[in-house]
Amino acid sequence: QKEVEQNSGPLSVPEGAIASLNCTYSDRGSQSFFWYRQYSGKSPELIMSIYSNGDKEDGRFTAQLNKASQYVSLLIRDSQPSDSATYLCAVNMEYGNKLVFGAGTILRVKS
Amino acid sequence: DTEVTQTPKHLVMGMTNKKSLKCEQHMGHRAMYWYKQKAKKPPELMFVYSYEKLSINESVPSRFSPECPNSSLLNLHLHALQPEDSALYLCASSPFEGGRTEAFFGQGTRLTVV
Repeated sequence: QKEVEQNSGPLSVPEGAIASLNCTYSDRGSQSFFWYRQYSGKSPELIMSIYSNGDKEDGRFTAQLNKASQYVSLLIRDSQPSDSATYLCAVNMEYGNKLVFGAGTILRVKS
Repeated sequence: DTEVTQTPKHLVMGMTNKKSLKCEQHMGHRAMYWYKQKAKKPPELMFVYSYEKLSINESVPSRFSPECPNSSLLNLHLHALQPEDSALYLCASSPFEGGRTEAFFGQGTRLTVV
């Protein structure tokens, strides 16, 4: 079992729609969870961090965490073509300061 | 300011060369990372320094040698690399204090081994 799993996509949504990205992780002791956005040829950019169960909203982005189900999600409201990128879920594993990435989900927003 | 600066941006080296990648942050972060990223793959963790001490080495070949001279600097020394080592090398830093473990990435060094 991979430590962090994501559907690789691509996920295609029309402009203005809600994009929903999902991630599961294997280490039940993990406490820190992150979403990064990566454009082609660029480095990952942190867009959301979440540490507690529930929802966290920042602008058009909402991160959701369910530790019992070992599940993290990212919702992007009012999707724009500029949101087209690879979205990486990252989890800080319990054993030491080890930040592990999922394979990433490619999001395509069509205008 | 969440800036992590990496130099050089691009590097081409031969298999017998020795080169170094440099990373710098002035955010007072206490953890620094090296990642390797191949095309269409996620970043793959190589090394973690916490409080200037190597805390994680993900079984990286010895031709990659990390160094943390002080809390703001991180180097990756390269020697006798193989063409398959060509990749984007990313440095990141994290506060690692107060429960904050989010990592901020530099722009990366694109390495080509010929």
